[in-house]
Amino acid sequence: DSGVTQTPKHLITATGQRVTLRCSPRSGDLSVYWYQQSLDQGLQFLIQYYNGEERAKGNILERFSAQQFPDLHSELNLSSLELGDSALYFCASSARPATDTQYFGPGTRLTVL
Amino acid sequence: AQKVTQAQTEISVVEKEDVTLDCVYETRDTTYYLFWYKQPPSGELVFLIRRNSFDEQNEISGRYSWNFQKSTSSFNFTITASQVVDSAVYFCALSEAGYNTNAGKSTFGDGTTLTVKP
Repeated sequence: DSGVTQTPKHLITATGQRVTLRCSPRSGDLSVYWYQQSLDQGLQFLIQYYNGEERAKGNILERFSAQQFPDLHSELNLSSLELGDSALYFCASSARPATDTQYFGPGTRLTVL
Repeated sequence: AQKVTQAQTEISVVEKEDVTLDCVYETRDTTYYLFWYKQPPSGELVFLIRRNSFDEQNEISGRYSWNFQKSTSSFNFTITASQVVDSAVYFCALSEAGYNTNAGKSTFGDGTTLTVKP
């Protein structure tokens, strides 16, 4: 158990809908990262937050947004969902943005029908 | 742009064989971190090792060892006396470091699926 929690574990929704994925980092970690893992794209870095502020951005679509709240939990919002958004979404956390190891949560499996 | 290449898509070995997973990376940064993660069939990502770009010492942890060679931009992972429980997808990753705006941004290889047969 990495100490990172993600909810929900599974999510099934329809195209065009909007969903919110939630992540709670390990106790004491200030950085949160979001990743998407799909069969055709592999493991892709989406976005990183550090102590509430966006720190680095990867291949995140404009339909996706994220934020980190004062209690350090983070949410990833996915809107206007398409079939291709079906993937496993991982959250990871670390103490500091670049120098520390990232510990991954169990992931949220999103299925868009 | 950063790139991580794991040329071996799938490897199959018989238990107790040694196996090496290759990882080659590209970056313009002088300061960076390299990682290996394991993803067993259950799906979670398990951290195995982190190495910073200034530390080229090889590391051994039980049956696992890592060979970092900056001159060839490689960070290879060897499992000695493999076991069935080692069957998983293994990812190599590169993370930007320092204080640039993308510090912490990680690039993953496509992964190598290792199957260890009894």
